[in-house]
Amino acid sequence: RKEVEQDPGPFNVPEGATVAFNCTYSNSASQSFFWYRQDCRKEPKLLMSVYSSGNEDGRFTAQLNRASQYISLLIRDSKLSDSATYLCVVNPGGAYNNNDMRFGAGTRLTVKP
Amino acid sequence: ETGVTQSPTHLIKTRGQQVTLRCSSQSGHNTVSWYQQALGQGPQFIFQYYREEENGRGNFPPRFSGLQFPNYSSELNVNALELDDSALYLCAVGRPSGANVLTFGAGSRLTVL
Repeated sequence: RKEVEQDPGPFNVPEGATVAFNCTYSNSASQSFFWYRQDCRKEPKLLMSVYSSGNEDGRFTAQLNRASQYISLLIRDSKLSDSATYLCVVNPGGAYNNNDMRFGAGTRLTVKP
Repeated sequence: ETGVTQSPTHLIKTRGQQVTLRCSSQSGHNTVSWYQQALGQGPQFIFQYYREEENGRGNFPPRFSGLQFPNYSSELNVNALELDDSALYLCAVGRPSGANVLTFGAGSRLTVL
């Protein structure tokens, strides 16, 4: 079993749709969690951190369920510019340790007009 | 834009050859990590350097080695290249304001023939 598993995708949605991505992780001792976005043939970029209480950044909402070892990302009112691969990232280290972040394989999203 | 510069951006090598990839960053990023991203996969942790010493290593053989220099630049060296080494190699630094968040360079795309 992979340490971080994501929906395989791809997701093809129309503009304005709401789309949700799921991610599970195997290491129950994991300390911090993130969603990164990666455009085609570009580097991953931080989209948002994920907190236990859930957090929202504009159209994006991230949730963490430590008991189920489950992370989600919800995108509302999808835009064409949201088309990208979304990477679920788990940090098994402490709050100030970015050693050995574990990435999922990513879920590809295409938003169509 | 990200403050992390990698070179070369693309290169082609043949099996058995050696390659050196380079990464430079703004001062204050005292950790540098290297990741390998194969096509269709998430980045996989190779190793991290902190204050010029290796500070953690992923599941990669010894032919993957690295250096970090006093000016915060770093190198990834791969000896005896294999076809499976074909990938995007990403350098990442820890952000001064958020040590466990990674900022990636644009990567070096290596093709081994």
